[in-house]
Amino acid sequence: GQNIDQPTEMTATEGAIVQINCTYQTSGFNGLFWYQQHAGEAPTFLSYNVLDGLEEKGRFSSFLSRSKGYSYLLLKELQMKDSASYLCAVRDLGGTYKYIFGTGTRLKVLA
Amino acid sequence: DSGVTQTPKHLITATGQRVTLRCSPRSGDLSVYWYQQSLDQGLQFLIQYYNGEERAKGNILERFSAQQFPDLHSELNLSSLELGDSALYFCASSATGLVDEQFFGPGTRLTVL
Repeated sequence: GQNIDQPTEMTATEGAIVQINCTYQTSGFNGLFWYQQHAGEAPTFLSYNVLDGLEEKGRFSSFLSRSKGYSYLLLKELQMKDSASYLCAVRDLGGTYKYIFGTGTRLKVLA
Repeated sequence: DSGVTQTPKHLITATGQRVTLRCSPRSGDLSVYWYQQSLDQGLQFLIQYYNGEERAKGNILERFSAQQFPDLHSELNLSSLELGDSALYFCASSATGLVDEQFFGPGTRLTVL
């Protein structure tokens, strides 16, 4: 089947580092995406990984291991404005392309 | 502001009715995506178009249909509406429709009474 798992909620302190994990099982794989979504707003793109390894973009980094069906999003120097949901999504290439989303991880950053 | 526009912002209608949601992509983007987000199901991919042609299809119901026009705007048609269709519908666009950044519009909130 097709499945994406991420923790439902996480809490961290301002200035800290947090890692949000995502594991996936899909019939095909053609890229993994991370999105940020503040409550009541549209998702905004953070990163994508196609090949194994780490992609760094400012305070955000994303890692992919295709053999393990695993990714993580690393947020450094946490700020209050990082409190949001983080969505992991896979572009599945099984027969036809489609995008499969996890249910999201709600991150709460405390002062 | 992502540059993607969606109309209307809110829509309230009754069961059994038909509605059309409209999306204009960012200038220069050729691909449009439609998503449904409800509280109990998270973000669900519905369908993708690239330069007027269907490129990818998710779990879109047969009661739903979409198209992308020559000027690249897109419409999502929802018919025989049910209470469970109440959700936020997002449109996104990207340049190539491959593994590239998607820019989301503000969404249309549909309420079916």
